[in-house]
Amino acid sequence: DAGITQSPRHKVTETGTPVTLRCHQTENHRYMYWYRQDPGHGLRLIHYSYGVKDTDKGEVSDGYSVSRSKTEDFLLTLESATSSQTSVYFCATRSYNEQFFGPGTRLTVL
Amino acid sequence: KNEVEQSPQNLTAQEGEFITINCSYSVGISALHWLQQHPGGGIVSLFMLSSGKKKHGRLIATINIQEKHSSLHITASHPRDSAVYICAVPKETSGSRLTFGEGTQLTVNP
Repeated sequence: DAGITQSPRHKVTETGTPVTLRCHQTENHRYMYWYRQDPGHGLRLIHYSYGVKDTDKGEVSDGYSVSRSKTEDFLLTLESATSSQTSVYFCATRSYNEQFFGPGTRLTVL
Repeated sequence: KNEVEQSPQNLTAQEGEFITINCSYSVGISALHWLQQHPGGGIVSLFMLSSGKKKHGRLIATINIQEKHSSLHITASHPRDSAVYICAVPKETSGSRLTFGEGTQLTVNP
């Protein structure tokens, strides 16, 4: 258990509203990741961070932005949520090539 | 074609049976990951291996780098083994990003 928490755990929102998901870790891991998980797809990388203020895009980054102002926190923002962003979002950290996952956030965009 | 292909997609077994889940990948890798996703959604790392075989309890993972193939075996399966098993490989040699298979849903009936 790498001490990863995600908030909120569940959220229902409306199309066009901004949404921010938070990932918090207590292990001081350098790398942090945001994934989404959808039926018929494996986990897909949205954005990742390799240090404070250092972030890069993943394979499904359109419509998402991230920020990392502290080692322990990695925020994922949907500037204007769309129904296609309904998904389960997982945060993860990495240590010595092993990834540790948060409990997930189920987001529903109506 | 996905970079990581798992088979079967779904597997139902009776308690006590020997289980095999397969993973084939198309990229060159340094190590392969096996993950388990519990029915409640949590994801944990089971194995990371770059050659040969690893064993943890009733779980055994093997990899053949030349054939780009890995297998996850469960001996004496139990209903508590019911979960989704996910294979993942690094996108690059640094291992900072992973590509995930779609997962194999295993159900073990008592």
